[in-house]
Amino acid sequence: DIQMTQSPSSLSASVGDRVTITCRASQSISSYLNWYQQKPGKAPKLLIYTASSLQSGVPSRFSGSGSGTDFTLTISSLQPEDFATYYCQQSYSTPITFGQGTRLEIK
Amino acid sequence: EVQLVESGGGLVQPGGSLRLSCAASGFTFSSYWMHWVRQVPGKGLVWVSRIDSDGSSTSYADSVKGRFTISRDNAKNTLYLQMNSLRAEDTAVYYCARVGAIHRGSDYWGQGTLVTVSS
Repeated sequence: DIQMTQSPSSLSASVGDRVTITCRASQSISSYLNWYQQKPGKAPKLLIYTASSLQSGVPSRFSGSGSGTDFTLTISSLQPEDFATYYCQQSYSTPITFGQGTRLEIK
Repeated sequence: EVQLVESGGGLVQPGGSLRLSCAASGFTFSSYWMHWVRQVPGKGLVWVSRIDSDGSSTSYADSVKGRFTISRDNAKNTLYLQMNSLRAEDTAVYYCARVGAIHRGSDYWGQGTLVTVSS
C-alpha cells in the first residue's frame, strides 16, 4: 500500500498569512494527488486534483504543486473560512490512501 | 444540482449486518465510478471501497475485504454497501463519493451516515 505522510499535523496561522502543507508518498504516484478541505461535521470538499488542477469553484488562493513523491498545497492569503482540516489523497492505485490530515487553526 | 444522499446507518450489534444506500441525482450516475469512504468521528478519512461505472470492477480495503460488498443499480441511480460481520472498529461515518474522472479525486460527496457497532 502507498503511505501518505502530511506535515505538519497541525498549524496555527493568521488571516492573510501564506501557508504551505506538504504531502509525501511512500513511492512515486506520478501526479495522482488530490487535496481536500474538511470542516467539522461536513463532508470533505475537493480543492485540487492531479496535483495542481484547481477544482471548479475553488478560490484561486489555493494552489498545488509537485509530482512523484513530494507535493504541496499552498494557500496564498488565508481567509477566515479556510480554517479547517486538509487531507491529501493518492489516486494512483488501490487501495486509495489519505494523509493523516493537517489541522489549520487560527493563531 | 448533483446530490448524493446516504441512508441505512444506525446501531448494530457486533457480528451483525447493515446495508448502506447512496441515492444519486443531478448527473448521469451510470457514467461515474463511485467510492465509499469512512471516518471515525474526530479522526482521518479512510477509503473503504470503489466500483466502476457499470459495476463490473470493484476494489476493497484489506480491513473490509470479505465482509463488505459494494454494488450499484444504475437503473435506480443508487450505490450500495452491504456490510456483514460488523466489528466495533467499523464504527464510523460512511460517505459515498463520486469520482470526477479516473485519478481525479472525488468531486461530490454525500453528507454521511453514521454506523455504530456496539452491544
